[in-house]
Parts: sequence; structure tokens; C-alpha cells
Amino acid sequence: DARVTQTPRHKVTEMGQEVTMRCQPILGHNTVFWYRQTMMQGLELLAYFRNRAPLDDSGMPKDRFSAEMPDATLATLKIQPSEPRDSAVYFCATSGGSDTQYFGPGTRLTVL
Amino acid sequence: AQKVTQAQTEISVVEKEDVTLDCVYETRDTTYYLFWYKQPPSGELVFLIRRNSFDEQNEISGRYSWNFQKSTSSFNFTITASQVVDSAVYFCALSEYKTSYDKVIFGPGTSLSVIP
Repeated sequence: DARVTQTPRHKVTEMGQEVTMRCQPILGHNTVFWYRQTMMQGLELLAYFRNRAPLDDSGMPKDRFSAEMPDATLATLKIQPSEPRDSAVYFCATSGGSDTQYFGPGTRLTVL
Repeated sequence: AQKVTQAQTEISVVEKEDVTLDCVYETRDTTYYLFWYKQPPSGELVFLIRRNSFDEQNEISGRYSWNFQKSTSSFNFTITASQVVDSAVYFCALSEYKTSYDKVIFGPGTSLSVIP
């Protein structure tokens, strides 16, 4: 049963600390998306990659957020420094050319 | 501009009742996809269905059925004989060919509670 894996599932940190979230795509999926979900804004697309190359990061605050794909099996989303307003659930989703995105379980981030 | 509206914020039904979740979309493109996702209390988003704009056939999968009507720009989702396990937030979503199928726009979601 192929699934998107995300770690950690939960993260509590203090304001100013660096946070790194990781995503392992479904094997063979070449497109990776990062979303943020909050009660106020719903699901927002932050950035996405195809074949490890960034295609769009217009939804991401550039000053503190960064997204990378060091290899085909790992995508990372980093926040430095973190702020309380970054508290949200961050989802990774992947697709393999079918135009359907499959989501991971999410990382629930709380910044104190 | 593309937009997805789910007017029902919360719905409560008693187990075994049928329930329909409404979805209305806006798009200027003639080629697009519509989706439904389920988000149970565990938090994961689960893909349920994708329908392309050229296929208006209704779809049935077990207790789930979907009614796509281009004339009213609606893609409604019906659960027959609801069960407690159906309690979740359901999201309708849209992606357009011209904008890019990668850019999926999600509706605000409908929270469904099925009461035993």
C-alpha cells in the first residue's frame, strides 16, 4: 500500500527556532507539493517540485521558508526562524502524472 | 477566476440516513478536473474521486455517489446509509488545464457528523 510519509507527525517548538519537516513521496511519483492548512485560510499551496526542480513557490513566505528536494525520495520544508503564526498542519502531497494528488498524514506544528 | 464553494459548513445526520454534500465551482476553462477528498479526525486527506470536465456520467462506488452537472456547475456527493466512520471533513476541489492541473483549488470543506 503505497503512501506518502511525513515526519515528524507533531512538532512543538519555541519562537525563533528552526523547524524542518520531511516528506517521502510515493515511489515513482515525480511531483511533490507542500500545503499548509489552517482554520482561517484552509488549504494553501506553498510550493511544488517536479523531477526535483522547483516549479512554483509563490505561496511561500520567502524570508523564512525554504523547500528543497535533495533526492527523489526526500522533500524538505524548513522554517527559520519560526513564528507563532506558522502554527498549522503542513501537508506533503505527491502525484505521478495522473494529475491526482495523494496526501501524507501531515505535520502538526505548534510554535509557542 | 477559479473558485470552489461548499455552502454547507457543518452537517449532522443520524446513522443510516442519506446525506448530500454540495459543491459549486467556477471556472472559465472548458477543460478541468473536479475532486473530492475526505479528511477524517486522524487528519490525513484521503482522495475519493476525480472527474474530468468531459465526463458527466454519475459515479457510484459502494455507498458513495457523485452527481456532476455542468449546467449548474455542481459536483455533489451523496453518502447513502451513512455510518459513524463517515464522520469527517469533505473537500471539493478543482484544477484547470489552462492554469495548470498542478494548481488545485480546494473548497472550504463540509464537516459531516454522523450520530449513532
